[in-house]
Parts: sequence; structure tokens; C-alpha cells
Amino acid sequence: QSALTQPASVSGSPGQSITISCTGTNSDVGGYNYVSWYQQHPGKAPKLMIYDVSNRPSGVSNRFSGSKSGDTASLTISGLQAEDEADYYCSSYTSSTTWVFGGGTRLTVL
Amino acid sequence: QVQLVQSGAEVKKPGASVKVSCKASGYTFTGYYMHWVRQAPGQGLEWMGWINPNSGGAIYAQKFQGRVTLTRDTSISTAYVELSRLRSDDTAVYYCVRYTYDTSGYYSDYWGQGTLVTVSS
Repeated sequence: QSALTQPASVSGSPGQSITISCTGTNSDVGGYNYVSWYQQHPGKAPKLMIYDVSNRPSGVSNRFSGSKSGDTASLTISGLQAEDEADYYCSSYTSSTTWVFGGGTRLTVL
Repeated sequence: QVQLVQSGAEVKKPGASVKVSCKASGYTFTGYYMHWVRQAPGQGLEWMGWINPNSGGAIYAQKFQGRVTLTRDTSISTAYVELSRLRSDDTAVYYCVRYTYDTSGYYSDYWGQGTLVTVSS
């Protein structure tokens, strides 16, 4: 199972919106609505930001949203804040009843 | 409250095995799948496998087939990951992760604090 494809880095200024893509295949992202997104700050455990493509866990800011089209899922962060600077990972359920992560995207808030 | 408390850091030699534990509390241990994820220093997250604590059945990532074993002891609400034939590139932080799988979806909701396993001669 190959890792999902994410851009290595994205950046944006405070107040702007950014989108991180996550591309898989029809055996993972495209085949199931079990796509999650995680935020990870240095030295910390990952934090779930989006699950099942577009659902936000309780306590996660509504500035975070998720979507999917075909084999590509996306995470959008609106109204960028300095605290959003972190690594972001997507993850998807697969047809092998396994899970797979993306390679991760470093978000820099300029 | 839900807690996943993992065992302490380990240092192992190449070729050895390591077994990391994850003690769950605050919920019914057999009611949720337990996954294991690792992260090498400066690298991304890597999914290793999951176990159904109720049945003991486990599914492994292809990369780790034959080298990893997931087990559990329901009497003490503890899950284990054992990795054999360790190599230097197995140096990583290993996390246990509780997943919810029901009508509300399929997602991780609690992570252990992580266990650093260092493989070095």
C-alpha cells in the first residue's frame, strides 16, 4: 500500500486561506468516506482535525474543513492563525481493511 | 476519562525484538479497535496495524507482515505491539491509537503518549 500523496509544504499569511491536497486511488481515498486529517505540532502527538472526509470533532475550530473529489481529499484552513503552523497528515481506510497515511505537509504561517 | 498509557522508552540492538504495551482505562477496552502508528525521527506517520480487542483478530500493514505481532490481554485492558528482527530504521516513536467504528464514523479519537524505541548497536 503506497502512501497518499501530499505537498511537502504550503504557506500563507495570517487571515488567508490555504488548501492541502491528499491524493490516493480508488482503493483508498476514492473508494471510502473514511478520510481523516491530523495536525501535529513538534514533539506532540497528532490531533484529529477532520474525520470521515468532512466532519469536525468537538472542539475543533470551524476554520478547518474537509472535502473530497474522486481520489483526492482536501483540507482547507480559513482565517490562518499563527497557531495553525504545524505538520498536517491525511489518512484513509483502504480496501485491504488497512489504513494509510499521507507523507505530511508542513504549513508555514508567514 | 479515556487514557492510553504506554510503556517506557526502549533501547535495543539490531536483530532483537521489542514489545511495547498500551494500558487503556476510562472505557470498555473490548469495545474499540486499537491501532498502532509509528513515526521515525523527523519523518511522517506510518500505520502498522490494528487489533480487535474483543476477538484478538489483527490486520497488519503489508510492510510489517511477518515482523509485527499485535496482541492484547483483556484482563488488564492492555494492548501490545511486538516488532522482531529490529533494524536501525525501526528507530521511532510508537503510538497506540484508539479508533471508534460505529454509526458516527471510523476515526481515531485517543492517542497514547508514545514510546521511543531506539535501535542501535
